[in-house]
Amino acid sequence: GAGVSQTPSNKVTEKGKYVELRCDPISGHTALYWYRQSLGQGPEFLIYFQGTGAADDSGLPNDRFFAVRPEGSVSTLKIQRTERGDSAVYLCASSLSSGRGETQYFGPGTRLLVL
Amino acid sequence: DQQVKQNSPSLSVQEGRISILNCDYTNSMFDYFLWYKKYPAEGPTFLISISSIKDKNEDGRFTVFLNKSAKHLSLHIVPSQPGDSAVYFCAASLIQTMRFGAGTRLTVKP
Repeated sequence: GAGVSQTPSNKVTEKGKYVELRCDPISGHTALYWYRQSLGQGPEFLIYFQGTGAADDSGLPNDRFFAVRPEGSVSTLKIQRTERGDSAVYLCASSLSSGRGETQYFGPGTRLLVL
Repeated sequence: DQQVKQNSPSLSVQEGRISILNCDYTNSMFDYFLWYKKYPAEGPTFLISISSIKDKNEDGRFTVFLNKSAKHLSLHIVPSQPGDSAVYFCAASLIQTMRFGAGTRLTVKP
């Protein structure tokens, strides 16, 4: 079956611009997560959704970052006034539910480069 | 705050031998521990997990050991195969928020 997909696979933008990154979770998965992975580091938690609502957004670094999941399926991560330090791979994951120990399935990521 | 640490950035082993990857954590409230494997240009894929109430979980060639008193877990791969060469991430879960280590690059030589 189809896994988690993310678009675009690569995004190059200029400092100060606005970007949107899209995630299509596995069909039927109610929980969706966003992570950011910088070079040489592990994925860093940003936000997770249970259904349409953000259950935990404690990982968002500042108010330039925002994410939505209006219909409980596709999610969009939005970054305003991008900075060079935002350059990273943005990973999305989904899981069947948000129960303890539920396996998260990752997409291939969007590689964002801010010039 | 680095709550999950993988202190070895790389490990090289011979095919057929055992690979041991280590991970330390600081938060005693973590309730699940997981290992993910990552190939270049792909997202991490789930490998094996262990609940905080257990000390060992085995799945084929992969075994995870948890030592709660030492806040340490390890992943054993035996026998190691060239296809196991990848970056391995340790992760710890509290409710549904996962914290990852920085990863260990495993190279299995034929």
